[in-house]
Amino acid sequence: DQQVKQNSPSLSVQEGRISILNCDYTNSMFDYFLWYKKYPAEGPTFLISISSIKDKNEDGRFTVFLNKSAKHLSLHIVPSQPGDSAVYFCAASGGRTSGTYKYIFGTGTRLKVLA
Amino acid sequence: DTGVSQNPRHKITKRGQNVTFRCDPISEHNRLYWYRQTLGQGPEFLTYFQNEAQLEKSRLLSDRFSAERPKGSFSTLEIQRTEQGDSAMYLCASSLVAGGANYGYTFGSGTRLTVV
Repeated sequence: DQQVKQNSPSLSVQEGRISILNCDYTNSMFDYFLWYKKYPAEGPTFLISISSIKDKNEDGRFTVFLNKSAKHLSLHIVPSQPGDSAVYFCAASGGRTSGTYKYIFGTGTRLKVLA
Repeated sequence: DTGVSQNPRHKITKRGQNVTFRCDPISEHNRLYWYRQTLGQGPEFLTYFQNEAQLEKSRLLSDRFSAERPKGSFSTLEIQRTEQGDSAMYLCASSLVAGGANYGYTFGSGTRLTVV
């Protein structure tokens, strides 16, 4: 049972345009969400997070939106740059409630930004 | 502090052999997590420690797997009698949990295990 789903395995975007990566989850107990970026042969690198008490969080070119009623979050990258090309993982945790902070990851979306 | 360090980066072993991986977390972090990632999947939680106490183990962690964090600093993950299905990237992460909040969740670069 996949509790965190990233239904698009890949996405190609022109440099300078917006990249939108989507993530759906099923467990209503999730209260903290992360986006990670992963380059080949490296571990995941933290990108941005959002708590369930918010519906938006921005950090520079990256914005994460959370729609709790739809159990959906998205990552917007504006403007997209070739260095953003990587695999992006969405992860969710019920940590603030359970104290565990173990994350359930999606299967990732490979973003390719074309120059 | 250079982040979370994992050794070795790569390990090739024959089926049936035992292997041990090491993770050195960020020094001020009290939580340490192990994840496993197979091709085309996201990382899957295996186990975590609060200081030296192992607080949770996933059902993915069979009896052949054991993890320790003897002094609340570095951790080891041992796999006994390896099987080809154990081939994966093993990731370690650490964080600081204080006052009910989680800070600085950081992953290492992983140990890639290949069982032949």
